[in-house]
Amino acid sequence: DTAVSQTPKYLVTQMGNDKSIKCEQNLGHDTMYWYKQDSKKFLKIMFSYNNKELIINETVPNRFSPKSPDKAHLNLHINSLELGDSAVYFCASSQDASSGTPHNEQFFGPGTRLTVL
Amino acid sequence: AQSVAQPEDQVNVAEGNPLTVKCTYSVSGNPYLFWYVQYPNRGLQFLLKYITGDNLVKGSYGFEAEFNKSQTSFHLKKPSALVSDSALYFCAVKDWGNYQLIWGAGTKLIIKP
Repeated sequence: DTAVSQTPKYLVTQMGNDKSIKCEQNLGHDTMYWYKQDSKKFLKIMFSYNNKELIINETVPNRFSPKSPDKAHLNLHINSLELGDSAVYFCASSQDASSGTPHNEQFFGPGTRLTVL
Repeated sequence: AQSVAQPEDQVNVAEGNPLTVKCTYSVSGNPYLFWYVQYPNRGLQFLLKYITGDNLVKGSYGFEAEFNKSQTSFHLKKPSALVSDSALYFCAVKDWGNYQLIWGAGTKLIIKP
């Protein structure tokens, strides 16, 4: 069984379009994340979200928005796509990343390669 | 400021030789340190972590890491490298401000037969 899954695996779209990437975890974790990995493989946290709090990296444009219909899902919506949004986006999850037990490891999805033309 | 440094973009090792991938950190509060591995076209996989206790931490695939508080380092090691260990390795430390991970830039490990 896949622990953290993402769809689609590849996404090719035109500048200016709006797109979504879906993420689901079946680990029962209470915290989920979105990361962006650029062409140099640098990993940047975009959002972390649990049922209590959304933490947004201040450098993320407001064209990006996470939406969580329930604890097992955290989707990423991107409006008005730009060329610079081309990257691999990873979803991840962990248990109790808040002040309770903040040292649990994160489990990553396989990634979604977004190409903006 | 809290940070993680991986000083080597790439490390080349012959198969069968020991390997070391370096990581140094700067954090206020207790350092919670992690190593992850990323194989080509895959997501990151957890290897090991240091929270407290023994400075030598053992993890997956025969990897281990040594926590050194005085040198603020957490180097990843393996006694005998395999070609299949070739991958991108990330070091990370917990940010006590927002409980997220601060990631290093990654080190590409190449094991040559």
